[in-house]
Amino acid sequence: NAGVTQTPKFQVLKTGQSMTLQCAQDMNHEYMSWYRQDPGMGLRLIHYSVGAGITDQGEVPNGYNVSRSTTEDFPLRLLSAAPSQTSVYFCASSYSGLLSSYEQYFGPGTRLTVT
Amino acid sequence: AQSVTQPDIHITVSEGASLELRCNYSYGATPYLFWYVQSPGQGLQLLLKYFSGDTLVQGIKGFEAEFKRSQSSFNLRKPSVHWSDAAEYFCYGGSQGNLIFGKGTKLSVKP
Repeated sequence: NAGVTQTPKFQVLKTGQSMTLQCAQDMNHEYMSWYRQDPGMGLRLIHYSVGAGITDQGEVPNGYNVSRSTTEDFPLRLLSAAPSQTSVYFCASSYSGLLSSYEQYFGPGTRLTVT
Repeated sequence: AQSVTQPDIHITVSEGASLELRCNYSYGATPYLFWYVQSPGQGLQLLLKYFSGDTLVQGIKGFEAEFKRSQSSFNLRKPSVHWSDAAEYFCYGGSQGNLIFGKGTKLSVKP
């Protein structure tokens, strides 16, 4: 199993540009989530999904969109990038978000810089 | 509101010394609690987890943690630190369906 994969690893955007961060998992996990990590802030939940077709907002959803058309994929879209979105983004998955006793598996991260 | 607090932003220990990283939670019932480690430039790896039962849990890489309800704590310990343990450590916990990360503790190891 590849686990949780994320692409790209690094990205530089100009303010106002759009892009999609890709996340895929091959473990048949129902629950997937996106976090951003900023120095001194820990990891903050952006959006999550408890299954195909179901998404919900986390702690810091503004400026980001998600969709979940398949169990495997959970892309994160930045419609109009802003410098405040400069961060490291992690995708995670687990067997079920409703039973959060299951551990989350993390991808390697995408480092995004918005100039 | 629930919270997970890691009081120490940065800790430095000598190689071979013991280690304790603190984590405090606020939640009325028994929380789900995890410790994750993040090496520089890497994703997060699970060290150990607690849901119920024995309050002392063993994890990978020689780490253990003890759940203390009376102190609302879930501190991570290791008896002898290795240079490769230098990383950032995150406590993660809360109620079912509502878990949050602490802000992390960066561990430096002196030779």
